[in-house]
Amino acid sequence: DGGITQSPKYLFRKEGQNVTLSCEQNLNHDAMYWYRQDPGQGLRLIYYSQIVNDFQKGDIAEGYSVSREKKESFPLTVTSAQKNPTAFYLCASSPQGRDYNEQFFGPGTRLTVL
Amino acid sequence: GQQVMQIPQYQHVQEGEDFTTYCNSSTTLSNIQWYKQRPGGHPVFLIQLVKSGEVKKQKRLTFQFGEAKKNSSLHITATQTTDVGTYFCAGSGYSTLTFGKGTMLLVSP
Repeated sequence: DGGITQSPKYLFRKEGQNVTLSCEQNLNHDAMYWYRQDPGQGLRLIYYSQIVNDFQKGDIAEGYSVSREKKESFPLTVTSAQKNPTAFYLCASSPQGRDYNEQFFGPGTRLTVL
Repeated sequence: GQQVMQIPQYQHVQEGEDFTTYCNSSTTLSNIQWYKQRPGGHPVFLIQLVKSGEVKKQKRLTFQFGEAKKNSSLHITATQTTDVGTYFCAGSGYSTLTFGKGTMLLVSP
């Protein structure tokens, strides 16, 4: 059963702590993306990666970091430098990092920082 | 940078009424994609439009891409309660998408 998995579904952390969100895909897609979604807002791009060992900043990369050591995995770390980390985080992948490819989304992780 | 604006932000209709959401870009787009997100769910791809003036239909859904490739619309005929959700348009850059803020559709039976 192919798809994208994100874990956990809900995550609670204390202010000042770093937290890493998992994203795994078995679709053999080259490109992966991280988005942040706030209530009433669209999806804002945090980071994306078009190939293993390479990634680029999106529109709101400050306070976040990523790695792409394996094709299947693209974890996102929310650091203590991120001023408003509470949000719904969505991971997506596409066959290639080109604009004509649809993106497949994972179920998301809802992060709450207390 | 590229901006994609979507209106209305929210619409509440009675089941059987029609619904339209509009998407406008500040720049010419190479293509536009539409996604649907059910409440509590994740976005799911609906369609992609590439050609100027293109019109595509999926059952009760009609998608249009403007002649100048700077605007698009999604029209739903005779809404059903299963149409509830937020509809997003997304304009393409070279390797990334810029999403509009979405239109939340609520359908009352």
